[in-house]
Amino acid sequence: QKEVEQDPGPLSVPEGAIVSLNCTYSNSAFQYFMWYRQYSRKGPELLMYTYSSGNKEDGRFTAQVDKSSKYISLFIRDSQPSDSATYLCAMTNYPSGGSNYKLTFGKGTLLTVNP
Amino acid sequence: NAGVTQTPKFQVLKTGQSMTLQCAQDMNHEYMSWYRQDPGMGLRLIHYSVGAGITDQGEVPNGYNVSRSTTEDFPLRLLSAAPSQTSVYFCASRTLGTTNYGYTFGSGTRLTVV
Repeated sequence: QKEVEQDPGPLSVPEGAIVSLNCTYSNSAFQYFMWYRQYSRKGPELLMYTYSSGNKEDGRFTAQVDKSSKYISLFIRDSQPSDSATYLCAMTNYPSGGSNYKLTFGKGTLLTVNP
Repeated sequence: NAGVTQTPKFQVLKTGQSMTLQCAQDMNHEYMSWYRQDPGMGLRLIHYSVGAGITDQGEVPNGYNVSRSTTEDFPLRLLSAAPSQTSVYFCASRTLGTTNYGYTFGSGTRLTVV
């Protein structure tokens, strides 16, 4: 079983739709969870990050973490064509004095929002 | 701030040639890393560094060397290029000692080995 699983899509939605993107993971030690957005031929950019379980909201974006289910989600409300990109989840252990700063990434979900 | 700057943006190499991918950051980040991104494989860590003079291997280090002589620069060297090294390479950095584990990525180097 891979450490992080993410449905690659592609996912195509009409403008204004609510989008749900998800990742599951197997390593219960993961504490910090991130979502990156990557436009075509660009580097990933950090969209949101959360610690442990719970929700975090930033404008049209909401990140959810359910550690009991090892499941994280990103919701995009009122989706726009400019949201068309690949979305990657990423997670890491809490670096308790060691050198484990590595992020483990999902493979990304390609989202297209159609006008 | 320029952030993370990668050069070159594109490169074509012949099998067996060597080259260095450059990465520089101006955010005084201690941690720097190199990833490659391939279709269906996602981002895979090649090498990383937690400070000048300190480097370590990631999950796919074979065929690559790194060094870190300054905080700002983290070059990636391909010793003898192979077609399997055709990929998009990203440099990423972050600060340590905070609870923001987000990386800042460069815009990538697209490498083709023929």
